[in-house]
Amino acid sequence: SQKIEQNSEALNIQEGKTATLTCNYTNYSPAYLQWYRQDPGRGPVFLLLIRENEKEKRKERLKVTFDTTLKQSLFHITASQPADSATYLCALNTGGFKTIFGAGTRLFVKA
Amino acid sequence: DTEVTQTPKHLVMGMTNKKSLKCEQHMGHRAMYWYKQKAKKPPELMFVYSYEKLSINESVPSRFSPECPNSSLLNLHLHALQPEDSALYLCASSQVGGGRGNEQFFGPGTRLTVL
Repeated sequence: SQKIEQNSEALNIQEGKTATLTCNYTNYSPAYLQWYRQDPGRGPVFLLLIRENEKEKRKERLKVTFDTTLKQSLFHITASQPADSATYLCALNTGGFKTIFGAGTRLFVKA
Repeated sequence: DTEVTQTPKHLVMGMTNKKSLKCEQHMGHRAMYWYKQKAKKPPELMFVYSYEKLSINESVPSRFSPECPNSSLLNLHLHALQPEDSALYLCASSQVGGGRGNEQFFGPGTRLTVL
């Protein structure tokens, strides 16, 4: 069956360090992989999209890698700040309207 | 305007009530979505409208009835819900095609409690 796996446990890091979140998937061939941020009780906010033929994408302090052979994406936040504390969702899209979300990883950045 | 708005923010209803959730966007997006999200779970797709026509229904029970009156508005009509339907209901919109990978803009959600 199709599955998206993200670190189910919370990730705690110190301010200024790099946070690395993992997204693994099985039985998908996504055309696009997206990362969203979600704060408690709020809707997800789109952060980055990477296409199947791209290896890496950057936006300010964010970096996403996409390895279709390993079926894995890594999401990095450099120089992390307490304001980065949130749940980060990985999402896969095969090119149509249907996007499948992972359960998310909760990130806590301590000052 | 890059905002999706949803009303109400919170809704408490009994199992015999009829209520509606509303969603609005003015980004010119022609695809609109309803998701249901339980605590610590991912958003689950319920319905997709494309050009005001229902494109996807993820086998949602008929007690949930979507409506897309025009390209900016999306409603979700609720009737005879069950307590297990209590959740955060999220509306989202996106462009159609164009290689944007279905990047979605979400509203803040409606927190629904069914008693």
